[in-house]
Amino acid sequence: EAQVTQNPRYLITVTGKKLTVTCSQNMNHEYMSWYRQDPGLGLRQIYYSMNVEVTDKGDVPEGYKVSRKEKRNFPLILESPSPNQTSLYFCASSFGTADQPQHFGDGTRLSIL
Amino acid sequence: QKEVEQNSGPLSVPEGAIASLNCTYSDRGSQSFFWYRQYSGKSPELIMFIYSNGDKEDGRFTAQLNKASQYVSLLIRDSQPSDSATYLCAVTKNRDDKIIFGKGTRLHILP
Repeated sequence: EAQVTQNPRYLITVTGKKLTVTCSQNMNHEYMSWYRQDPGLGLRQIYYSMNVEVTDKGDVPEGYKVSRKEKRNFPLILESPSPNQTSLYFCASSFGTADQPQHFGDGTRLSIL
Repeated sequence: QKEVEQNSGPLSVPEGAIASLNCTYSDRGSQSFFWYRQYSGKSPELIMFIYSNGDKEDGRFTAQLNKASQYVSLLIRDSQPSDSATYLCAVTKNRDDKIIFGKGTRLHILP
């Protein structure tokens, strides 16, 4: 089954404790991206990647890191999480480029205390 | 100026009627336009995409794009209660660029 898999689905942690949210897709998609969704602010792109070793900032990259060492994986890293990073996070991928439909993972609800 | 704007709603439409959702964008160079549906607590799923001016139809859904006026709309014919969701408009400028989402419009189909 074609899918984008995120882990964990839920996480409650404390300020400053480094965490990684994994994202994996099995569709051989080139374009992958991370979003956060907050009430009243909508879906905002954090980082995106056009292919292996190619990443670029979206609209809200501050406080986040990403890497794209393999085509299928695109982890989101919070080196020193803060409460303002409490949010619902989505990973998405698409065939080729940004002008193709995005396939979304099920989301990760992250709470930073 | 917000890059992609949508009326937040809620937009209430009687069952069986046509629901009309609108989206305006600020970057005249935008090239690709998408409509996603998101049920509460779920991830967005693609409804339609459109690249050229005019109408594009898929079943009960029609996307309309007017680049001169910088708006894209989604029409849902014969609205069903299952269409009740938040509809997100997304826009990209270039193939290797970021994707900008609107804040979404909540649609409520009244049985």
